[in-house]
Amino acid sequence: SYVLTQPPSVSVAPGQTARITCGGNNIGSKGVHWYQQKPGQAPVLVVYDDSDRPSGIPERFSGSKSGSAATLSISRVEAGDEADYYCQVWDGSSDHWVFGGGTRLTVL
Amino acid sequence: EVQLVESGGGLVQPGGSLRLSCVASGFTFSDYWMHWVRQAPGKGLVWVSRSNYDGSSTSYADSVKGRFIISRDNAKNTLHLQMNSLRVEDTAVYYCARGSVRTVFFEYWGQGTLVTVTS
Repeated sequence: SYVLTQPPSVSVAPGQTARITCGGNNIGSKGVHWYQQKPGQAPVLVVYDDSDRPSGIPERFSGSKSGSAATLSISRVEAGDEADYYCQVWDGSSDHWVFGGGTRLTVL
Repeated sequence: EVQLVESGGGLVQPGGSLRLSCVASGFTFSDYWMHWVRQAPGKGLVWVSRSNYDGSSTSYADSVKGRFIISRDNAKNTLHLQMNSLRVEDTAVYYCARGSVRTVFFEYWGQGTLVTVTS
């Protein structure tokens, strides 16, 4: 089965840029989507199709993909950005939807 | 406004059954694929199952295949998950999620319902 790998944690000072990576085999051929989940809340889509933002999501959130990894970048990080972030792809070979293990973003 | 409201969670013994429901509003329910995603306490998100527009095509994670059944009632804007032969490891918050127009990601999520499997 397809596996997505994320770092368990990322820490960043307020005002800096946080970068969260998501690796997977041949990820370049798949659309990567990102979700933010704050404690006790449901996930929220923040980036879809590698780099598009849903309406209402701040421009500070951006996505990119290069080589064997996708990256979620959050610029000018705020305390309110502290959350768990998950990447996700659709694996067409199995018709399964796959999540990465999640990355906890800590704002120092 | 899109709303997804889950219900049916609770406490159940191993080997037991439970039926979850998700009532949708704010969009044309029959135009979208629907999913169940779960999250064990302190763990990450795991996709469980999906239904196409009318329930004629479904898919399941290997961990629940043969035990869970996803279904939908488009007349009532409701998605169901029938969970049988429950195991301790099925303990989780179960989220209902609406697929995107292109079906490959989750645009909207419900608040979840907690299922606890314990003896």
